[in-house]
Amino acid sequence: NAGVTQTPKFRILKIGQSMTLQCTQDMNHNYMYWYRQDPGMGLKLIYYSVGAGITDKGEVPNGYNVSRSTTEDFPLRLELAAPSQTSVYFCASRKVGGDTQYFGPGTRLTVL
Amino acid sequence: EDQVTQSPEALRLQEGESSSLNCSYTVSGLRGLFWYRQDPGKGPEFLFTLYSAGEEKEKERLKATLTKKESFLHITAPKPEDSATYLCAVQNLKTSYDKVIFGPGTSLSVIP
Repeated sequence: NAGVTQTPKFRILKIGQSMTLQCTQDMNHNYMYWYRQDPGMGLKLIYYSVGAGITDKGEVPNGYNVSRSTTEDFPLRLELAAPSQTSVYFCASRKVGGDTQYFGPGTRLTVL
Repeated sequence: EDQVTQSPEALRLQEGESSSLNCSYTVSGLRGLFWYRQDPGKGPEFLFTLYSAGEEKEKERLKATLTKKESFLHITAPKPEDSATYLCAVQNLKTSYDKVIFGPGTSLSVIP
């Protein structure tokens, strides 16, 4: 099992550009999450999904969108990139009835 | 409001010098408290889940304990490979099962 994979690993965007961060898991987990991590701050939940076709907002959803058309994939969309979205983004997944979240390796995004 | 703080922010230990990391939390009802390890440039990796005051869990040189207001991660005779950032997180019994609040972490360096 590859676990949770994320692409790209690094990306530089200009203000106003858009992009999609990809997340895929091969563990057949129903629950998936997107977090951002800023220096000196804890991980902040952006969006989460409890299964295909179902998504909900976390603590910091503004400026982001998600979709969940399959169990495996949970892409995060940035429509109009802003410098405040410079961060490291982590995707995670969890199985039904489990407490453990399994994290991907992260995407480091810089918006200039 | 649910809150998690961790201290110290950073800790340098000599190899073999035991110490403890602190996680203080404020939550109206605790469903679970989690410890994760995060290596530079990687996603968090699960260590422990604690559910009730008095509970303890061990893994190699690490032992996690829980009281009603805080958790400690005790590191006994640490080795350089224990160097990492240790994250604490809590889940509130009274809110969505999927919303986990993370602390900012403690960066541990173990010097040979």
